[in-house]
Amino acid sequence: GQQLNQSPQSMFIQEGEDVSMNCTSSSIFNTWLWYKQEPGEGPVLLIALYKAGELTSNGRLTAQFGITRKDSFLNISASIPSDVGIYFCAGQMNRDDKIIFGKGTRLHILP
Amino acid sequence: GAVVSQHPSRVICKSGTSVKIECRSLDFQATTMFWYRQFPKQSLMLMATSNEGSKATYEQGVEKDKFLINHASLTLSTLTVTSAHPEDSSFYICSASGGQQDEQFFGPGTRLTVL
Repeated sequence: GQQLNQSPQSMFIQEGEDVSMNCTSSSIFNTWLWYKQEPGEGPVLLIALYKAGELTSNGRLTAQFGITRKDSFLNISASIPSDVGIYFCAGQMNRDDKIIFGKGTRLHILP
Repeated sequence: GAVVSQHPSRVICKSGTSVKIECRSLDFQATTMFWYRQFPKQSLMLMATSNEGSKATYEQGVEKDKFLINHASLTLSTLTVTSAHPEDSSFYICSASGGQQDEQFFGPGTRLTVL
């Protein structure tokens, strides 16, 4: 079945630093999604990408849909303490299809 | 965005009992609902997809007789964990899509602990 490889698994950074994480897939997706999950809560959508090559921003977050449709990255600029959490990439073929999740990147911010 | 709720948010039960978890779309009609399971420090794994009025489609390795899914209306799907065992302890999350919504909306999750 489809698998998503997300890296890094965890990150320890200083407040103010930029963050980059990426995701690759063994097969193509028509939609790439990036979610953030905080402890004990469901995932919250950060950015949705619908077109190969698309670069989309949401505040300090920027994500790109790879041209091959098999990869995506998420950048967070000037990290702040509330950015702490687990970030998941996810892929979807069509709008009402199931979403396949990556293994997550756990972001820690050092004081 | 649209709102999806889950009830209960947390449940503790004895081994061998059955537990029902509800997932509701509060402000849109969800033609499709999905149930995920998330073990500690792991990703969300899809268990099954349910379409309103029809039988759920289960992912490989998920026992349909153990995890009963009912999607009887456009705003409600239920997951019943039958004869729960400690290894069923997990975080169960639903999502819903349909109507005019472009995305799936996730519920806040239900923490199940089986003693």
